[in-house]
Amino acid sequence: GQSLEQPSEVTAVEGAIVQINCTYQTSGFYGLSWYQQHDGGAPTFLSYNALDGLEETGRFSSFLSRSDSYGYLLLQELQMKDSASYFCAVRVDRGSTLGRLYFGRGTQLTVWP
Amino acid sequence: GAGVSQSPSNKVTEKGKDVELRCDPISGHTALYWYRQSLGQGLEFLIYFQGNSAPDKSGLPSDRFSAERTGGSVSTLTIQRTQQEDSAVYLCASSWGAGELFFGEGSRLTVL
Repeated sequence: GQSLEQPSEVTAVEGAIVQINCTYQTSGFYGLSWYQQHDGGAPTFLSYNALDGLEETGRFSSFLSRSDSYGYLLLQELQMKDSASYFCAVRVDRGSTLGRLYFGRGTQLTVWP
Repeated sequence: GAGVSQSPSNKVTEKGKDVELRCDPISGHTALYWYRQSLGQGLEFLIYFQGNSAPDKSGLPSDRFSAERTGGSVSTLTIQRTQQEDSAVYLCASSWGAGELFFGEGSRLTVL
């Protein structure tokens, strides 16, 4: 089976930095993605790492270490609107198309004023 | 519309009935996915269509679940003889092939 582990909840205050970790055990690994989902809404794409290292997109950064089967999402300068669930997802199929994408259970981030 | 469209947005049914959930992907997207999200849970992979290839059905939880995609576009997820444990939000997503998934708002299914 496919296993992705991430913390169920994280809390932080506005302006702070928070890191959401994801460890995975999957049948294959060809990339780690992060998605954000506000209550009752559709998940939306945040970032993708296929190679080791840090990818930065504005206030959000994502890191991958393939040797450790580990990645994290780093959110800086937190804002109230960042309160949401964050999911890591692993691409398990090789090829030119995305293939199957398996998701973790999600981390509920609450940002306090 | 420009996004992924799903219908119905809400469906209440009685145990044992069949239900059909529809997904209209973004025009031109070759890949289409169905996921199930139970309350407070992650996204459970159900099925994946890529172009004209045979779908990957490895995530379907039982033979009561089936899906088809007509003309490489619209998809229907069918659940036969619904059970209470089928209650969840069913999310559809599409992709142009190797890029990110674009999700619809989901169909919330409640089985009484």
